[in-house]
Amino acid sequence: NAGVTQTPKFRILKIGQSMTLQCTQDMNHNYMYWYRQDPGMGLKLIYYSVGAGITDKGEVPNGYNVSRSTTEDFPLRLELAAPSQTSVYFCASSYSRDRDRGEKLFFGSGTQLSVL
Amino acid sequence: GNSVTQMEGPVTLSEEAFLTINCTYTATGYPSLFWYVQYPGEGLQLLLKATKADDKGSNKGFEATYRKETTSFHLEKGSVQVSDSAVYFCALSGMIIQGAQKLVFGQGTRLTINP
Repeated sequence: NAGVTQTPKFRILKIGQSMTLQCTQDMNHNYMYWYRQDPGMGLKLIYYSVGAGITDKGEVPNGYNVSRSTTEDFPLRLELAAPSQTSVYFCASSYSRDRDRGEKLFFGSGTQLSVL
Repeated sequence: GNSVTQMEGPVTLSEEAFLTINCTYTATGYPSLFWYVQYPGEGLQLLLKATKADDKGSNKGFEATYRKETTSFHLEKGSVQVSDSAVYFCALSGMIIQGAQKLVFGQGTRLTINP
């Protein structure tokens, strides 16, 4: 039971470098999300997707880009890394529009990113 | 806007102690409320939920009651175990866009249970 898989688990970047955080899910979920968690803070939504080819901004999208070419994959791209992007990043997916089933999010185990 | 506030952590208890983790919220409308748990090295997973006022969510010995009059959703367990050591997140359902759930999370409370 793979669920939601994120890679890498840890990464250190230098200021100005770029990288892609990978996220894949094997549950055929339409909805996928990227959150970031800063120390002592709640998770904040970066981007979300309602299906292949459709993405939209969340609360804190600046400095990030996403794509959704397949149902399974939802990579998050950092183009010019900045120290403010030091955080733990979580990818999540959910099942459907149905309120009862859709509200349960399935999370990956996170990527801890440091920008120095 | 919607927001969730959890009690400050970390919380350290002895095995078999009673647990309460406080959560209060601010929201318009009638959101659903959730507790998610993150065990070491794993992703967040849904622990329990409540969808309307006075509902009680329960799972694995944990309980929380949706209190609209006090805008609270406190997590309780009568007798904690070492295996309950984790980070606990309170959350509410925010705006739904095209079916996508925009959950609003609290900052998380780290719980450590000592044998």
